[in-house]
Amino acid sequence: DAGITQSPRHKVTETGTPVTLRCHQTENHRYMYWYRQDPGHGLRLIHYSYGVKDTDKGEVSDGYSVSRSKTEDFLLTLESATSSQTSVYFCAISAEDRDTYTGELFFGEGSRLTVL
Amino acid sequence: AQSVTQLDSHVSVSEGTPVLLRCNYSSSYSPSLFWYVQHPNKGLQLLLKYTSAATLVKGINGFEAEFKKSETSFHLTKPSAHMSDAAEYFCVVWLWGKFQFGAGTQVVVTP
Repeated sequence: DAGITQSPRHKVTETGTPVTLRCHQTENHRYMYWYRQDPGHGLRLIHYSYGVKDTDKGEVSDGYSVSRSKTEDFLLTLESATSSQTSVYFCAISAEDRDTYTGELFFGEGSRLTVL
Repeated sequence: AQSVTQLDSHVSVSEGTPVLLRCNYSSSYSPSLFWYVQHPNKGLQLLLKYTSAATLVKGINGFEAEFKKSETSFHLTKPSAHMSDAAEYFCVVWLWGKFQFGAGTQVVVTP
């Protein structure tokens, strides 16, 4: 199994509070991704990173920010959580150059966030 | 733009019978295609991938998929379902650096 750890695995918070989810990898892969999973929508990309301090938006980035200060860590922050951000969040990593070759995504086990 | 459609949101099969999960994609180019499986409370795991080599792709756990460019399809099959195949399955398209996920197909296996 790819070495990907997400924390926390479960969190309940209240509307308006900040939340940070952490993804840690031990594979030294270049690309890291944050997805959210909601019933009927599959997985939707929030943000991704293609290197330290290099990040870009995905299709559902509003209300989220990310940071990557080290190769192994990719943080997802909800500055002010809303009930619509209740979801399961998955971190994924990929070794390949995304523009010229594709391989597989390796996924963490997910972080279940409930915003009351 | 590319998109991927999984034609069935739920599939129910009896143990020992064939499984067919249907996936169609739309793309102006030939994409790379994947099937992933997700067991309850777990992350996604790669079953198989097509990257412009053989059109019939064999994956783990007895699954295989056939890429049909003329039909823009990438259906997943298994000759004989096992109870451990109960999970959610995702068809994924990759093109120009973007992964696009289908909405998923929930597979139920009955004894």
